[in-house]
Amino acid sequence: DQQVKQNSPSLSVQEGRISILNCDYTNSMFDYFLWYKKYPAEGPTFLISISSIKDKNEDGRFTVFLNKSAKHLSLHIVPSQPGDSAVYFCAASGASNTGKLIFGQGTTLQVKP
Amino acid sequence: ETGVTQSPTHLIKTRGQQVTLRCSSQSGHNTVSWYQQALGQGPQFIFQYYREEENGRGNFPPRFSGLQFPNYSSELNVNALELDDSALYLCASSLGGKTTYEQYFGPGTRLTVT
Repeated sequence: DQQVKQNSPSLSVQEGRISILNCDYTNSMFDYFLWYKKYPAEGPTFLISISSIKDKNEDGRFTVFLNKSAKHLSLHIVPSQPGDSAVYFCAASGASNTGKLIFGQGTTLQVKP
Repeated sequence: ETGVTQSPTHLIKTRGQQVTLRCSSQSGHNTVSWYQQALGQGPQFIFQYYREEENGRGNFPPRFSGLQFPNYSSELNVNALELDDSALYLCASSLGGKTTYEQYFGPGTRLTVT
């Protein structure tokens, strides 16, 4: 049972444009959501997070939007840069009260110069 | 501030053998979580240790076990290795116990079982 889903395995955008990565979840008990970025041969790097009491959180070029009624979150990167090319994972927490993170399958973002 | 470190980087084992993977948490962090990441998938939660006690466990069999030491470093032990155990094993550290959400990952250990 995949509780967190990233339905787009890959995304390609032009440098300077907006990248939008999407994530859906099924468990309404999740109360915290995170985005991680992963380069090859490295561990995931924490990018940005959002609590379920908010619908938007912004940090520089990165903005995460949460739509609780649709059980959907998205990560916007504006403007996209070639260095943003990586695998992006969304993760959710809070349902089990253990700090366990449940990850999606990941979306590979390619930003073309 | 020292980040999360893991050893070894790569490991090749034979089916049926046992393996121990090690993790040093980020300075100041007292919680360690272990994840298994199969090729093309997201990380899957194995278990978490908080102040030397198991603080939650994912859907992994008992042959996956762990330890956390007084300095908050941790070990993941896997007995009776199976071919499907081939994966990237990630350790993540965080501050606090059950209410901690932001976890910081190490580079991982790539385990290959032949």
